[in-house]
Amino acid sequence: LAKTTQPISMDSYEGQEVNITCSHNNIATNDYITWYQQFPSQGPRFIIQGYKTKVTNEVASLFIPADRKSSTLSLPRVSLSDTAVYYCLVVRWNAGNMLTFGGGTRLMVKP
Amino acid sequence: SAVISQKPSRDICQRGTSLTIQCQVDSQVTMMFWYRQQPGQSLTLIATANQGSEATYESGFVIDKFPISRPNLTFSTLTVSNMSPEDSSIYLCSVDGLAGGETQYFGPGTRLLVL
Repeated sequence: LAKTTQPISMDSYEGQEVNITCSHNNIATNDYITWYQQFPSQGPRFIIQGYKTKVTNEVASLFIPADRKSSTLSLPRVSLSDTAVYYCLVVRWNAGNMLTFGGGTRLMVKP
Repeated sequence: SAVISQKPSRDICQRGTSLTIQCQVDSQVTMMFWYRQQPGQSLTLIATANQGSEATYESGFVIDKFPISRPNLTFSTLTVSNMSPEDSSIYLCSVDGLAGGETQYFGPGTRLLVL
């Protein structure tokens, strides 16, 4: 599976939009891009998944360029409760649903 | 989505002993997974457990150290055997998504400290 690279940490302030970019240069045709969020002392929680272009749900947006070698998770108007670790994963469709977690991005939202 | 519970939520154990962690799901699922998350680190997959078959272990993990049971479609256990302080971690179970399986739902984790 394609390896992912994302910033180790990011700081933001309440009310700002946060964009976390992930690179996955070796993504394959049948791979999806998936983002998880993990709060301290909890298991990871699925946020959003996409294949190409743009996906939006009630929590976030995911932007994927045409070459799919990177993706950007966008969190609109973050609050203190969005402080968490965000993981970008490449998931192969129908390949045992295995998830390979990279290092993640530790987002700190400040007042 | 699936609701997953784990028992115990945390434990402190002596080295050389074993601990069995339970994972219960509120719906029938095909695949269950066990992960380890060491302090301040990311998640590492230990094994995949399908009902009715032997668990499949990832590189670096062996059945003698982490025996897994999967007696039915809603339950699994992971045993951490002959523990050492290096086994101190959070152990998480997850299940595949109910719609196409492209996502996983995670339990809250079991925080283990080995003295």
